[in-house]
Amino acid sequence: TQTVSQSDAHVTVFEGDSVELRCNYSYGGSIYLSWYIQHHGHGLQFLLKYYSGNPVVQGVNGFEAEFSKSDSSFHLRKASVHWSDSAVYFCAVSPNTNKVVFGTGTRLQVLP
Amino acid sequence: EAAVTQSPRNKVTVTGGNVTLSCRQTNSHNYMYWYRQDTGHGLRLIHYSYGAGNLQIGDVPDGYKATRTTQEDFFLLLELASPSQTSLYFCASRAGGATGQLYFGEGSKLTVL
Repeated sequence: TQTVSQSDAHVTVFEGDSVELRCNYSYGGSIYLSWYIQHHGHGLQFLLKYYSGNPVVQGVNGFEAEFSKSDSSFHLRKASVHWSDSAVYFCAVSPNTNKVVFGTGTRLQVLP
Repeated sequence: EAAVTQSPRNKVTVTGGNVTLSCRQTNSHNYMYWYRQDTGHGLRLIHYSYGAGNLQIGDVPDGYKATRTTQEDFFLLLELASPSQTSLYFCASRAGGATGQLYFGEGSKLTVL
């Protein structure tokens, strides 16, 4: 069974702080990893993805994520958050070309 | 920009009622998905499809049917709605291949009384 674990349900930081949102997965084969953001009252929007190559991938709005095969992780980072980054962030795993499985999400609150 | 449109955006029904949630994508994407979002569970996959007439079972299919009538249209059917199906439902589409990103609709809030 493929699983995606986001261990932090809530993360609170101040504007200008750096942040790391954690994602761990369990799957043995080749997978496609991605992060999505959901602002309140809206659908999810794509942030970034990893499939192969450089394990550090860049996304929109200064977000980046790093893939680690040894840790089975794909953590999302941002060096300096803005209040508009307050949202729910979802990690997603696609173990094949069809199915996409999401984690439970991490709510990021950025305080002024 | 890829477009996925869901309707209705809000629906209230009673236990045992019949509900159809509609999703249309205008991106010529092969894959379409139905998820439900609940606090503490994130998004859970109900059904998905990779083309007209095709249906694949997701992780939480019980109590749901789905039908992909055209490449554009994917319907989620609740024939005997129960309060446990009160949720926020999202439709998404993506092009074929391992690295295609999902494009989501704005969601359909269903309340079963």
